[in-house]
Amino acid sequence: KNQVEQSPQSLIILEGKNCTLQCNYTVSPFSNLRWYKQDTGRGPVSLTIMTFSENTKSNGRYTATLDADTKQSSLHITASQLSDSASYICVVSADSNYQLIWGAGTKLIIKP
Amino acid sequence: DVKVTQSSRYLVKRTGEKVFLECVQDMDHENMFWYRQDPGLGLRLIYFSYDVKMKEKGDIPEGYSVSREKKERFSLILESASTNQTSMYLCASSKQGAGEKLFFGSGTQLSVL
Repeated sequence: KNQVEQSPQSLIILEGKNCTLQCNYTVSPFSNLRWYKQDTGRGPVSLTIMTFSENTKSNGRYTATLDADTKQSSLHITASQLSDSASYICVVSADSNYQLIWGAGTKLIIKP
Repeated sequence: DVKVTQSSRYLVKRTGEKVFLECVQDMDHENMFWYRQDPGLGLRLIYFSYDVKMKEKGDIPEGYSVSREKKERFSLILESASTNQTSMYLCASSKQGAGEKLFFGSGTQLSVL
């Protein structure tokens, strides 16, 4: 069964600290892996999209890694800001935009 | 910037009512999607459309229908709303292609009483 599991479910860190969110997947075939940020009461916004051959991709203070052998990805946030408080969702594409398997998300809270 | 606009942020309806959720995108995207989002679950695809008048069922189409008469507009219809359809509904659009980003609207929180 195609699945995407994220950990932790929630995380609280102090402003300025770094954190890493995890994503494990069992999806076949694999096309790409995406990370989205979803602010409370808003739709998700794309952070990165990584294909099989990409190990690392950065978007400002966000860095995503992908290990296609172990079927794991992580999202590292550097020097966190209050505006990083959101849910972060890992999504794996089986073969097209029509077959996206969504994780349940990690809720990140940044405290001043 | 791509803009995906959903007609209502909040809706309250009665059981048995017919409900229309409207979505408009302004970037000439071929693909449009309707998802629902419930606490603790990943987004679930209800229907998608890859062209005008074309529609395909997603993972949970039961109790829903869709309409795409114009490229920029994709409507979700609940023929007879039920309490288990209380949820956040998210519309998205994208270009054709496996690696294309999805752009989402702000969502409609629907409560069925």
